[in-house]
Amino acid sequence: SELTQDPAVSVALGQTVRITCQGDSLRRYSASWYQQKPGQAPVLVIYAKKNRPSGIPDRFSGSSSGNTASLTITGAQAEDEADYYCNSRDTSGTHLDVVFGGGTKLTVL
Amino acid sequence: QVHLQESGPGLVKPSGTLSLTCGVSGDSISNGDWWSWIRQPPGKGLEWIGEIYHSGTTTYSPSLKSRVTISIDKSKNQFSLKLTSVTAADTAIYYCARIVWSAHFYFDSWGQGTLVTVSS
Repeated sequence: SELTQDPAVSVALGQTVRITCQGDSLRRYSASWYQQKPGQAPVLVIYAKKNRPSGIPDRFSGSSSGNTASLTITGAQAEDEADYYCNSRDTSGTHLDVVFGGGTKLTVL
Repeated sequence: QVHLQESGPGLVKPSGTLSLTCGVSGDSISNGDWWSWIRQPPGKGLEWIGEIYHSGTTTYSPSLKSRVTISIDKSKNQFSLKLTSVTAADTAIYYCARIVWSAHFYFDSWGQGTLVTVSS
């Protein structure tokens, strides 16, 4: 199956932005979110729907309902400008798979 | 703090085999974790290639399964990727990553990535 994300989202500095991810796999498996800045490897920012790894600012939060997962940045900062990818486990029959969303490019204005 | 480092040729000829290794430090590859390869074509999104458990059990992306082999070398604390019959479409940054898979599934540590170009 697939995970669908909006290709691009913008937010004014200091405002709140929500990035969404939709897919059937999210009904069965939890979402994780990754931030990727130009020329860098992805960094985990949310796992198990809503948990933040150590070192990730608390302005990042996650939620999930049904087939939709969301990443919210409350009080976006200039350094949050990046690509954001959602991800989950998936199954196709008895075959295990892993899916990524197409990514959302976040611009902080 | 686990550290992953990809290594291997940056240029592979069409129809050839892409071979990469991921060296792991700060964690034992035999520790019960899963380990994965992910790639990203230039300017595009992330694509999962496959994963391996310390026992050697593997799972591959359905779209790449016929061409991919992931193996593990516990003595060197590293795991490897082989992708056969490559074409220009396999040009990408290749990342290795550690998987956390218990009640939830996610990639908690990533290598810096290595660009592999398929060209004659």
